[in-house]
Amino acid sequence: EAGVAQSPRYKIIEKRQSVAFWCNPISGHATLYWYQQILGQGPKLLIQFQNNGVVDDSQLPKDRFSAERLKGVDSTLKIQPAKLEDSAVYLCASSFGTSSEQYFGPGTRLTVT
Amino acid sequence: GQQLNQSPQSMFIQEGEDVSMNCTSSSIFNTWLWYKQDPGEGPVLLIALYKAGELTSNGRLTAQFGITRKDSFLNISASIPSDVGIYFCAGRSGGGTSYGKLTFGQGTILTVHP
Repeated sequence: EAGVAQSPRYKIIEKRQSVAFWCNPISGHATLYWYQQILGQGPKLLIQFQNNGVVDDSQLPKDRFSAERLKGVDSTLKIQPAKLEDSAVYLCASSFGTSSEQYFGPGTRLTVT
Repeated sequence: GQQLNQSPQSMFIQEGEDVSMNCTSSSIFNTWLWYKQDPGEGPVLLIALYKAGELTSNGRLTAQFGITRKDSFLNISASIPSDVGIYFCAGRSGGGTSYGKLTFGQGTILTVHP
């Protein structure tokens, strides 16, 4: 079974630029999560989707971050404009349902200079 | 918000030694999970615990869900070099809009010397 796919794996941008990350969850997984992992810390949930609806985006900085999952499968996370403190690994995870275990992708390492 | 305190922050051990790490929370969780993260990869689930007092093993790994539902520990027996990595605990609360949301600890960095 294919795991969670993410791209790109690495991205370097200058502050105030925009960037987008893509995630393809495990086939059949209805729930999709985006996490931010700052160096030396555990992952922090940014947004949770159930199919194509948002379940929890309470920790998403909505002035600059946006995410969508239009057809209930793939998802994109966008940052516009980026700040230096957005440098982190962005992890996508998926699960069969909200009470099922989450499987993580390899992440996208973002460096903002 | 909920916070998890994971300790120790790092461990340096000799191959063959046993390892123990733990997590405590200010809040009750319905599920405790332990993940391992290798450099450049996402976290991989090691053990999931669903009931207070539950003790679960996965090979050389053993984890327990604390009776108070506010803590959990992970033991690794007879460590080997491939155990190197960062271990995270995570708690999941139930109900409401936050159902399914995981709260992660800060991680324990494990180094195993051959």
